[in-house]
Amino acid sequence: EIVLTQSPGTLSLSPGERATLSCRASQSVSSSYLAWYQQKTGQAPRLLIYGASSRATGIPDRFSGSGSGTDFTLTISRLEPEDFAVYYCQQYGSSPRYTFGQGTKLEIK
Amino acid sequence: QVQLVESGGGVVQPGGSLRLSCAASGFTFSSYDMHWVRQAPGKGLEWVAFIRYDGSNEYYADSVKGRFTISRDNSKNTLYLQMNRLRAEDTAVYYCAKDFSGYYGSGSYYSCFDYWGQGTLVTVSS
Repeated sequence: EIVLTQSPGTLSLSPGERATLSCRASQSVSSSYLAWYQQKTGQAPRLLIYGASSRATGIPDRFSGSGSGTDFTLTISRLEPEDFAVYYCQQYGSSPRYTFGQGTKLEIK
Repeated sequence: QVQLVESGGGVVQPGGSLRLSCAASGFTFSSYDMHWVRQAPGKGLEWVAFIRYDGSNEYYADSVKGRFTISRDNSKNTLYLQMNRLRAEDTAVYYCAKDFSGYYGSGSYYSCFDYWGQGTLVTVSS
């Protein structure tokens, strides 16, 4: 089973700054299998990015995804107050089965 | 707009059973695969189960295989999760999620979850 490890566990930044979140897979993953979600406290997750770099419907262009192989990145170009939340990466595996990273908490500095 | 509304959560003793429901609206439910995903209190997300759009195939996480059963009634636009032999570690918010899968022009396949319900809390405790 592929394990996804996200780093850092917590990221403290200020509005207007750039955020870079990492997701590392324990073995190579097809980039099309990698997605990112945002979850605010008390809410359901929201799909941000699929296929490693495709933005989901309605997602602002300050969110972007990149990466291949075992290393993937979610970048938020200029943080807005509403972007402070927990972010999860997720990969699709054959069978099918799905695994998530443990999450990165993006907090206001 | 797409809406997914879960119900059926509550407190149950270890070894007990519970059935969750997820009422879907705003899309053609019978055309989409569906999932259950859970989140233990203060923890991350864990995929639980998946069912094909027509109910023809089901897949489960190892942690629930043999104890949980996913099903659907396309005539009622409703997804279910029958949970038996519940354990303390099954305590979580359970979300139903709509499948978002397809192929890029290159032939690459993607699969994730594009809409989620608000979740229903299941607490397994004596």
